[in-house]
Amino acid sequence: QKEVEQDPGPLSVPEGAIVSLNCTYSNSAFQYFMWYRQYSRKGPELLMYTYSSGNKEDGRFTAQVDKSSKYISLFIRDSQPSDSATYLCATLYSSASKIIFGSGTRLSIRP
Amino acid sequence: DADVTQTPRNRITKTGKRIMLECSQTKGHDRMYWYRQDPGLGLRLIYYSFDVKDINKGEISDGYSVSRQAQAKFSLSLESAIPNQTALYFCATRGTGLQQPQHFGDGTRLSIL
Repeated sequence: QKEVEQDPGPLSVPEGAIVSLNCTYSNSAFQYFMWYRQYSRKGPELLMYTYSSGNKEDGRFTAQVDKSSKYISLFIRDSQPSDSATYLCATLYSSASKIIFGSGTRLSIRP
Repeated sequence: DADVTQTPRNRITKTGKRIMLECSQTKGHDRMYWYRQDPGLGLRLIYYSFDVKDINKGEISDGYSVSRQAQAKFSLSLESAIPNQTALYFCATRGTGLQQPQHFGDGTRLSIL
């Protein structure tokens, strides 16, 4: 079983829709959770960073962690065509030296 | 200029050839990483280094080797390339501290015929 599971998509939604991207993880020791965004022909870049359970909001983006169900989510409000990219969830635990990435969900926002 | 620079951006080569992918960074980070990305498999860690004298294997190191020539430079070699090493390769750096993100280069698209 992979440590972090993510639906690869692709996911296609119309402009202005609310997007929900999700991951599950297997190790309850994970404490730090991240979302990276990767545009075509570019490297991933950090989008959101959360610690433990709860929500974190940044503009149109909200990251949510539910440690009881080992579930992490990214919500995008008022989605724009420029949000079209691959989104990777990632995690690590406090004693870890390496970040563990999900396989990524490809998102397309239709104008 | 990019903080993490990878060369070349694209490479096509033949089975059995030796290939070197280079990475340099201007962020001053000690930690550097090499990943490969394949459709459906995500980012898989090949090797990582926490300083010039420290080299560690990742989950898929077989068939690869690395060299940390300086704090700013970390190269990945394929001694005898095979077709299933065709992939997108990323170099990344990271500062110390748990909340430090990884900073990625723009990747090298490698095709082995």
